[in-house]
Amino acid sequence: DAGITQSPRHKVTETGTPVTLRCHQTENHRYMYWYRQDPGHGLRLIHYSYGVKDTDKGEVSDGYSVSRSKTEDFLLTLESATSSQTSVYFCAISSGPRQPYNSPLHFGNGTRLTVT
Amino acid sequence: AQKVTQAQTEISVVEKEDVTLDCVYETRDTTYYLFWYKQPPSGELVFLIRRNSFDEQNEISGRYSWNFQKSTSSFNFTITASQVVDSAVYFCALSTQGGSEKLVFGKGTKLTVNP
Repeated sequence: DAGITQSPRHKVTETGTPVTLRCHQTENHRYMYWYRQDPGHGLRLIHYSYGVKDTDKGEVSDGYSVSRSKTEDFLLTLESATSSQTSVYFCAISSGPRQPYNSPLHFGNGTRLTVT
Repeated sequence: AQKVTQAQTEISVVEKEDVTLDCVYETRDTTYYLFWYKQPPSGELVFLIRRNSFDEQNEISGRYSWNFQKSTSSFNFTITASQVVDSAVYFCALSTQGGSEKLVFGKGTKLTVNP
């Protein structure tokens, strides 16, 4: 168990409302990631973080923002949720301290978000 | 840019059959890593294997084996004598030294093993 907790596990929200998903790790790893999983698309990177207050965009970052004020927490915010953001969201950490590209990712159990 | 293609969307086999899941990747980097992940029906993502671009040796772990061929840019995964518990979605993924810290996934292959 890589010590990653995502909350909430399930959420239903209405279009236009803000939503924040939380990822908490107990491993003190530097790199953290948010992916979304959709049928026919696999897993796509939304944002990632390489340290406290250091974040960067992934391939599907529009409509999402992130924050990392502490090593252990990485928050994903949908400022104004849309139906296209209905998805399963996975947080992941890289076990590689310096060269994460050669390290496997360890994933949380996912958050199923439905935007009605 | 990096890309991973898993052309097989879904595969269905009968228990004890052998099955191969295909993975083709694209990158211009010479240093890269390939990964396979398993996602069972319960939904969690489980890391299976990592292979770097300088090591083309095939790997076997029990009923699982992986065939890495740089000449065809492929990293295929074979399950021998499949079992119902192998039913899952399998993802191939790629990360490169020049691709920063990003792991790029294929779209996945859903394997169903019928009793």
